Amino acid sequence: QVQLQESGPGLVKPSGTLSLTCAVSGASITDLNWWSWLRQPPGKALEWIGDVYQTGTTNHSPSLRSRVSTSVDKTKNQFSLMLASVSAADTAVYYCARRFLLDGYGYFDYWGQGALVTVSS
Amino acid sequence: DIQMTQSPSSLSASLGDRVTISCRASHSIGNYLNWYQQKPGKAPNFLIYAASNLQGGVPSRFSGSGSGTDFTLTISSLQPEDFATYYCQQSHSTPYTFGHGTKLEIK
Repeated sequence: QVQLQESGPGLVKPSGTLSLTCAVSGASITDLNWWSWLRQPPGKALEWIGDVYQTGTTNHSPSLRSRVSTSVDKTKNQFSLMLASVSAADTAVYYCARRFLLDGYGYFDYWGQGALVTVSS
Repeated sequence: DIQMTQSPSSLSASLGDRVTISCRASHSIGNYLNWYQQKPGKAPNFLIYAASNLQGGVPSRFSGSGSGTDFTLTISSLQPEDFATYYCQQSHSTPYTFGHGTKLEIK
């Protein structure tokens, strides 16, 4: 069974950098999948942040691209998110997920439990 | 960006009811449309891909249809565990975008 688990600080100061890691078990980060980050502000809809492939190739949402960095660590079977220059608008539950590709169709089939990150001084 | 619009935003229904949730894309996305179920305080649960293909383990009372810009999720006979918020998501092109959700509540 594939499992993902987010970890990182739950509180980040305004203008600081949000940093999260997602540990993957039951699957290899080198499988033919993309590894994704999404977020959900309290009471709001889901937003895709971006994803990263085992080679380090990334896709990021244009609205966040200037502030986002994603990476993989094959030795630890995990991947990471960094979001710079955060503000209160970045307060959300952050999810990591696997984006599986089947016959050209991609979908987020396994998700972490989510990590609430609050931006506040 | 492709905008995804769901309707209704909330829906009250009774056990055993048949319900339909609509999702409209701002541009044609073929059948690159996924559906997810989310319960309070939990991560989304993946239900359907390519508009109409059920993920393994998803009950057959769930079905999806549509192509182009208009899609539907149907639950044929509501069970207690189906009361949740449902999201559509387009996988046609980045940025991958979600609808704002349809909250299904018990009448």
